[in-house]
Amino acid sequence: QLQLQESGPGLVKPSETLSLTCTVSGGSISSSSYYWGWIRQPPGKGLEWIGSIYYSGSTYYNPSLKSRVTISVDTSKNQFSLKLSSVTAADTAVYYCARQGRITISAGGYMDVWGKGTTVTVSS
Amino acid sequence: DIQMTQSPSSLSASVGDRVTITCRASQGISNYLAWYQQKPGKVPKLLIYAASTLQSGVPSRFSGSGSGTDFTLTISSLQPEDVATYYCQKYNSALTFGPGTKVDIK
Repeated sequence: QLQLQESGPGLVKPSETLSLTCTVSGGSISSSSYYWGWIRQPPGKGLEWIGSIYYSGSTYYNPSLKSRVTISVDTSKNQFSLKLSSVTAADTAVYYCARQGRITISAGGYMDVWGKGTTVTVSS
Repeated sequence: DIQMTQSPSSLSASVGDRVTITCRASQGISNYLAWYQQKPGKVPKLLIYAASTLQSGVPSRFSGSGSGTDFTLTISSLQPEDVATYYCQKYNSALTFGPGTKVDIK
């Protein structure tokens, strides 16, 4: 049974960089069939896709966040990571990682397996 | 950028009612459309992908239809456990979620 688990600091100061890791268990992150994505949900609000990565390191990002986002992969640890720079209170959210089916050479599709989510608060 | 809208934003229906939620894309997205269910305090769950394909394990009272710009999610007979917020998502190139439709029981 594939499982994803987010980890990282629950509190980040304004202007600093938010860093989260998603550990994949019960399957290989190096599968050619999947992309791996990050999604967030501010308190009481809807879902926002942040970006996604293929095991080769190929990435694509939400244009509205692209300038602040870096997603990387470590296949040796079966993990992928999110860095979001220059955070503000607006980045306070539950952050989810998820598996996406690969639908084209350069993009993933819908999310069929999700982590439980981790709450990140931006506050001094 | 392609925008996704949903209607209504919320609805209240009786147990056993047929419920329909609409999702509209600002440009054609073929059938690259998924639906998710998120119960309060829980992780989103994939219900439907490719506009009309039911994810394994999802009850058959859920169905999806549409192509291009207009899509619908239908619950044929609303059950108490269906109380949730439902999101559509387009996934051709960049991913975008709709704003959500909150469903509760009257």
